[in-house]
Amino acid sequence: RKEVEQDPGPFNVPEGATVAFNCTYSNSASQSFFWYRQDCRKEPKLLMSVYSSGNEDGRFTAQLNRASQYISLLIRDSKLSDSATYLCVVRANDYKLSFGAGTTVTVRA
Amino acid sequence: DAGVIQSPRHEVTEMGQEVTLRCKPISGHDYLFWYRQTMMRGLELLIYFNNNVPIDDSGMPEDRFSAKMPNASFSTLKIQPSEPRDSAVYFCASRKGTSGKVGELFFGEGSRLTVL
Repeated sequence: RKEVEQDPGPFNVPEGATVAFNCTYSNSASQSFFWYRQDCRKEPKLLMSVYSSGNEDGRFTAQLNRASQYISLLIRDSKLSDSATYLCVVRANDYKLSFGAGTTVTVRA
Repeated sequence: DAGVIQSPRHEVTEMGQEVTLRCKPISGHDYLFWYRQTMMRGLELLIYFNNNVPIDDSGMPEDRFSAKMPNASFSTLKIQPSEPRDSAVYFCASRKGTSGKVGELFFGEGSRLTVL
């Protein structure tokens, strides 16, 4: 079983729509959680950390459910520039990060 | 400030040839990671170093792969001999272990390898 699993999508949404997707992780001892963004043929970049109580960063909201071992990302008022692949990332008890395969989001005009 | 610098950006080689990928981490970062990304397997950690010492190489596929970090500003990933299934984008990433966001890795732009 993969450490981090994501729905690959693609999620095709119109501008202004809300889109949400999850990922699940297998290691119950995981300590930290993140969402990274990767544009086509570019390197991954940190989008936001995910905290136990849930957190927002502008139009982006992240949630963590430790009991069910899943993380979610919600994007409100989608922009064309939000089109990217979103990678779910989990850290266990060292500095090694495990990346999901990514969820592709395409925002259309 | 310069980010993580990788070279070459693109490499096309024939099966059986030796491939060397290079990475210069961000100055002051004491952790360095090598990842491989393919459509089928996503982003996989190959090996990581702390203060130039390899800590975990369990992701290195086989003996054909080797990585070194002779000093704090340079690392190499070598494949010898290369095979078509090694075709992928290889990313180097670095971070400073004791400050900043724990999960924030700074990635280079990647080296796109094609083995014919």
